[in-house]
Amino acid sequence: EDQVTQSPEALRLQEGESSSLNCSYTVSGLRGLFWYRQDPGKGPEFLFTLYSAGEEKEKERLKATLTKKESFLHITAPKPEDSATYLCAVLNTGNQFYFGTGTSLTVIP
Amino acid sequence: EAQVTQNPRYLITVTGKKLTVTCSQNMNHEYMSWYRQDPGLGLRQIYYSMNVEVTDKGDVPEGYKVSRKEKRNFPLILESPSPNQTSLYFCASSSWTGRREQYFGPGTRLTVT
Repeated sequence: EDQVTQSPEALRLQEGESSSLNCSYTVSGLRGLFWYRQDPGKGPEFLFTLYSAGEEKEKERLKATLTKKESFLHITAPKPEDSATYLCAVLNTGNQFYFGTGTSLTVIP
Repeated sequence: EAQVTQNPRYLITVTGKKLTVTCSQNMNHEYMSWYRQDPGLGLRQIYYSMNVEVTDKGDVPEGYKVSRKEKRNFPLILESPSPNQTSLYFCASSSWTGRREQYFGPGTRLTVT
């Protein structure tokens, strides 16, 4: 069965303290791995799509990487406005999406 | 403005009373999907549609129905709601080329008593 596991569940960082979020997955056939950001009371907002092992994508302080078993979301020098829940999802060859339960990030000024 | 709209945003109903949650997108996207989000379980896909008149079950389809008669609309139907369907529901749409990024609606909070 396709599955996505994210760790840690929650992460508290001081402003400027870099860290990484992990997303491990098992999927019958990977069409893509996605990262989303979700703010309280809102729908998820797209960040990145990764298609194959070795691929990397960057956007401002965020960088996503992909291996055959997991993906990392690296946050460099985070700011308080980066506080949110970060969701990882996979799309399988059956066109179904599976989401992890997310990592709740808090950045303290 | 590109967007996905859902209505209603909040709904309190009783067990067994049929209801429909509407979803509409203005981006001419092929792919549309419904999710429910529950604490500790994350987002789970209920149904998805690759295009008009094409729908498929997601991970948790029991107790739900959908239809896709027009490309822009994808309503979620609960024929006989039960308390275990109390949840936060999101509709999403995506172009099926390029990044396949999903655009999510604002959510519908449903309570079934």
